[in-house]
Amino acid sequence: GAVVSQHPSRVICKSGTSVKIECRSLDFQATTMFWYRQFPKQSLMLMATSNEGSKATYEQGVEKDKFLINHASLTLSTLTVTSAHPEDSSFYICSAIGQGDNQPQHFGDGTRLSIL
Amino acid sequence: GENVEQHPSTLSVQEGDSAVIKCTYSDSASNYFPWYKQELGKRPQLIIDIRSNVGEKKDQRIAVTLNKTAKHFSLHITETQPEDSAVYFCAAPSWGKFQFGAGTQVVVTP
Repeated sequence: GAVVSQHPSRVICKSGTSVKIECRSLDFQATTMFWYRQFPKQSLMLMATSNEGSKATYEQGVEKDKFLINHASLTLSTLTVTSAHPEDSSFYICSAIGQGDNQPQHFGDGTRLSIL
Repeated sequence: GENVEQHPSTLSVQEGDSAVIKCTYSDSASNYFPWYKQELGKRPQLIIDIRSNVGEKKDQRIAVTLNKTAKHFSLHITETQPEDSAVYFCAAPSWGKFQFGAGTQVVVTP
């Protein structure tokens, strides 16, 4: 159980393109979803926390107009990288937590974004 | 907010030996501590976790110990095998989100 599906797994596109990444919890209801960015050989850097039906909470230094997050249902959150530039190239990973205290995070497979 | 420090950053062990990774945290309210294993290019996978009402938890070759007074928790891998080679991350919660350690690159040599 506790499967999180993330799509697409890989995106290569031109500078200026907007890219949408989907994160779905397949067999549980996710009260909270997290979006992370990971550079090579580095740890997971939290970008934002997303709760269903409310605005996402962004970490310091993360531009909310650049990284649009929508959490429309208890099973789906989306991250849109608007007008992407080469410096936005990275590995983006979502995770989801079910209801209840002290629940583990379940991660998606990640999306490798390459902006040319 | 939470501050998590993880050591060592790299760890080389001979196959069959034990590996220990330690994390310290700052938020005394934290009460749940997971450990993740991440292979290159793949998702982090939960390998073991511990809640603050216990001091130790074991699952086959993997164990986690927690010292709430000292605010540190450790991952122990016994009888290491080449497939244990990966990056391991600890995490601690604070204010509804998780802070991850910097990661430990574990290399198990045959």
